[in-house]
Amino acid sequence: EAGVAQSPRYKIIEKRQSVAFWCNPISGHATLYWYQQILGQGPKLLIQFQNNGVVDDSQLPKDRFSAERLKGVDSTLKIQPAKLEDSAVYLCASWGQPNTEAFFGQGTRLTVV
Amino acid sequence: SQKIEQNSEALNIQEGKTATLTCNYTNYSPAYLQWYRQDPGRGPVFLLLIRENEKEKRKERLKVTFDTTLKQSLFHITASQPADSATYLCALIPGYSSASKIIFGSGTRLSIRP
Repeated sequence: EAGVAQSPRYKIIEKRQSVAFWCNPISGHATLYWYQQILGQGPKLLIQFQNNGVVDDSQLPKDRFSAERLKGVDSTLKIQPAKLEDSAVYLCASWGQPNTEAFFGQGTRLTVV
Repeated sequence: SQKIEQNSEALNIQEGKTATLTCNYTNYSPAYLQWYRQDPGRGPVFLLLIRENEKEKRKERLKVTFDTTLKQSLFHITASQPADSATYLCALIPGYSSASKIIFGSGTRLSIRP
């Protein structure tokens, strides 16, 4: 089966600019996660979708981050305006069943300068 | 507060030895616990899952134990090889539904020297 696709792979922007990341999960997976991974740390959950509804966005900085999952398939994560501390890898994962594995994309490495 | 803690220091062991990584958690009652491997510049890749009512799981050279009384999981790689060098992440799943979160620890960097 095809894996989780993310784009772009890398992005460099200046602070206060905006940026968007795209994720295409594995076909049929209802659950989609966006994680932020700062260098040397584990992935931190930003937002979780079940189909096209938000299950958990308690750790999403809503003043600058937004995410949507149209039609319960692809998802986009946006940052506007970006801050230096947003420099991280943004990982998308999709999940089919609770007793199975989650599949991750390769991530988008964001550098804010 | 809820915490998932893994070996804070990187682990550096000799090829052929058994590597043992620790995952401790507080204020969680996970239904499942998973271990993932992450290579530099890549997303995590699933290795093993263990359920709350299981004590041990094996897959080839990998073994995971799960002690819900101690709130600890141990991850073992036997006959370690330089190719096993990576960061290993433990992850807790608090519930049984597909709407559950997957919560990660900070990871342990493992280096296997020839």
